[in-house]
Formats: sequence, structure tokens, C-alpha cells
Amino acid sequence: EVQLVESGGGSVQRGGSLRLSCAASAFTFSSYWMHWVRQAPGKGLVWVSRINTDGSGTTHADSVKGRFTISRDNAKNTLYLQMNSLRGEDTAVYYCARARIPGAPDAFDIWGQGTMVTVSS
Amino acid sequence: DIQMTQSPSTLSAFVGDRVTITCRASQSIRSWLAWYQQKPGKAPKLLIYEASSLESGVPSRFSGSGSGTEFTLTISSLQPDDFAIYYCQQYNSYITFGQGTKLEIK
Repeated sequence: EVQLVESGGGSVQRGGSLRLSCAASAFTFSSYWMHWVRQAPGKGLVWVSRINTDGSGTTHADSVKGRFTISRDNAKNTLYLQMNSLRGEDTAVYYCARARIPGAPDAFDIWGQGTMVTVSS
Repeated sequence: DIQMTQSPSTLSAFVGDRVTITCRASQSIRSWLAWYQQKPGKAPKLLIYEASSLESGVPSRFSGSGSGTEFTLTISSLQPDDFAIYYCQQYNSYITFGQGTKLEIK
């Protein structure tokens, strides 16, 4: 079964760091653009970051630019999100998601189950 | 940045009703628009891509239309399983989601 499984969430103090992971299975991970999307409690979906197939191209939302870094290890079929200088407004469920078409940015057809990040003061 | 505005924010309807949700883009996104359904505690599910293409496995009562800046998601005959939150998403330039439309049982 095609699947994405996130891990690495938890509670962290303001200013701290976390690294999220997203393990992919049952598809050719290296062929797809990948994304992180977050959702604060009771709020809507917000796109965070994207990465192209070989990791040479990344984009981050303005709200996380300079603090978060998306990366991937195609040999390990794993996507990462390094989150530094965390703020209260970063508290959210973080989802990884796959772009639908190999090799191109597109709609997201596969999503992980999400991992919760809580930033406390 | 492209802004996406959905209307209404909340929609109350009966099982069997035909409902339409609208999504407007702040500039043309051609047909690079997707619709998602999200239920409480679950990840979003892709329903429609490229404005009007039905994702595999999605019931045919869901349909999408539009291009440029105005788009609609229509559910032809609401089923109990359809009560959820719906989001539009543009992927013409980076990614932006609409704020969501909560579809409630009347």
C-alpha cells in the first residue's frame, strides 16, 4: 500500500528545534516532489515547504523561511523537516504529502497521518 | 502571493441536496486547482485535480468546474459521509489553500 508515515513530533519550548521525518513506502519516492503542510488546532491547511525530486530545489513559505529546512534522502525513502527557532504559532499538526504526478509539482494525492508539534513558552 | 477565497465558510444542507462551494483566486491560476475533503482527526483527501478531473475512487457525485479565477465544487446528491470540511488549493504558483468550507447536516 502506498503510504507516508510521519514521526518526530512532540512538545518543545519556544526557541527550540525539532526534526520531523516522513517515511515513504510502496512507490518510487525519488520520482515525486514532496511537501509539508501544517494545520493549527481548529484552523485550516497551510502549505509550509516543498522539495523537488533530487532535493536540489526547495521552497518555503515566508512564515518559516530562514527557520525551517526541507530535505530528503532518496536512498532511505525519507523526507525531513528541520524546524529551528520554534514559535508558538508553529504549533500544529504537520502533514507530509506527495505531488500526484512524478517529476512535477501538482495536487497532493497521498498524505501522511500527521504528527503534532506543540511549542510552549 | 496568490490568495484563495472560499464561500461560503459554512453550509448547512440535507442529505440528498445538491450543493456548490465556490473558490476564487486573486489572479489567474489557469486550471491548476484541486479540491480536498477533510474529516475530523484525519488527513485531507484529494477529490478533484486540474479543476475538473475526478481523482480515482472518488464518487461521481463530486464534480469540479472553472478556470482562471473562479471555480466550483458541486456535490450532486449529498450523502451522510459527505459532511466534512472542504478546501480548495491552487498549485499554479507555489501552493495556497482556501480557508475551508464546513458542510454541516441540516
